[in-house]
Amino acid sequence: DQQVKQNSPSLSVQEGRISILNCDYTNSMFDYFLWYKKYPAEGPTFLISISSIKDKNEDGRFTVFLNKSAKHLSLHIVPSQPGDSAVYFCAASLNTGNQFYFGTGTSLTVIP
Amino acid sequence: NAGVMQNPRHLVRRRGQEARLRCSPMKGHSHVYWYRQLPEEGLKFMVYLQKENIIDESGMPKERFSAEFPKEGPSILRIQQVVRGDSAAYFCASSPRQGEQTQYFGPGTRLLVL
Repeated sequence: DQQVKQNSPSLSVQEGRISILNCDYTNSMFDYFLWYKKYPAEGPTFLISISSIKDKNEDGRFTVFLNKSAKHLSLHIVPSQPGDSAVYFCAASLNTGNQFYFGTGTSLTVIP
Repeated sequence: NAGVMQNPRHLVRRRGQEARLRCSPMKGHSHVYWYRQLPEEGLKFMVYLQKENIIDESGMPKERFSAEFPKEGPSILRIQQVVRGDSAAYFCASSPRQGEQTQYFGPGTRLLVL
């Protein structure tokens, strides 16, 4: 029962261009969403988050968009850099819960 | 300010042995979460603990798995009589308080069961 889905296992983007990573969820009760970045042999590192009361949150080169009606969020990275190459996990949480629900990840490769 | 520490980073066990995974949360954090990542999958929640209390163990397998977070020392995830299907990366995360919206992850322990 995968409540958070990342349907693209991999993405390749040219350096300097925009990277768009997508995430869909099924549980309308989720009220907080996060993106984590993970390098091989390391733990996930928090990147950016968004509350369900917002539809956009921006932090430097990273912007997360939330479309509640479509149960969809996306992470935009502009401009993409080779150091952004990593696996990106989308996660969601419930206001009443303690756990995060993770997607299966998208492996981003930024080509120099 | 050290991050979340996990040890060992790699652990090899034979079927039937016990595995003990340790997690020291970030300084000032008293809430610990354990997640498991099977190959080609996302992280799956296992258990949430505060000092000396298990708050939510809804993701823990009913048998062979246990977790604790004693008053002193690290949190420990214990797997008894390991099987090959237990091979995975086990991640610990911590947060400073309940309801904190961000969890900070350790580097993980990669368990391989032969």
